[in-house]
Amino acid sequence: KNQVEQSPQSLIILEGKNCTLQCNYTVSPFSNLRWYKQDTGRGPVSLTIMTFSENTKSNGRYTATLDADTKQSSLHITASQLSDSASYICVVKDTGGGNKLTFGTGTQLKVEL
Amino acid sequence: GAGVSQTPSNKVTEKGKYVELRCDPISGHTALYWYRQSLGQGPEFLIYFQGTGAADDSGLPNDRFFAVRPEGSVSTLKIQRTERGDSAVYLCASSLGGGGGEQFFGPGTRLTVL
Repeated sequence: KNQVEQSPQSLIILEGKNCTLQCNYTVSPFSNLRWYKQDTGRGPVSLTIMTFSENTKSNGRYTATLDADTKQSSLHITASQLSDSASYICVVKDTGGGNKLTFGTGTQLKVEL
Repeated sequence: GAGVSQTPSNKVTEKGKYVELRCDPISGHTALYWYRQSLGQGPEFLIYFQGTGAADDSGLPNDRFFAVRPEGSVSTLKIQRTERGDSAVYLCASSLGGGGGEQFFGPGTRLTVL
């Protein structure tokens, strides 16, 4: 069964600090990996998407890495802002038809003053 | 243009009742997806439409759940004989095609079954 695990489950950091969120997956055969940001009460919004051949991808202060050999990904947030407080969800797609995604449970990030 | 919209935003119902949740996808998006998200969990796939037809309904938990998309645009998720365990946020997403394109999510409908 395809699975996506994320750590930590929750994280509190001070504004301006950096943080790294982790994702391990067992989805096979692998197609792509996405990181989503989900604000409370809102739908998830895509931050980055990486295919098998991509090791890193940035979107502003967000940088995602992918190691397809170890089936691990990380999301690094630089110079955190209060508005970064949200759930960050790692999502993996297999190569099967239908574009079905396997979601992790998310890391709940809180940025404080 | 407008994003994915879902109505109602909140729905409270009693155990055993029937509910309908509506999703308006982004105009021109042929693929539409329904997910269910329980508190503290990631979204869980329910069903995927390509046009009017359900291309994959393997995520529907049981036959109390049914979804339609009669004209290939708006979709309705229908839940019969609701149970307390059905309480969750039901998310809808759409994408331009079904071949792996980015899915754009709506804000969700929070369903509470008392």
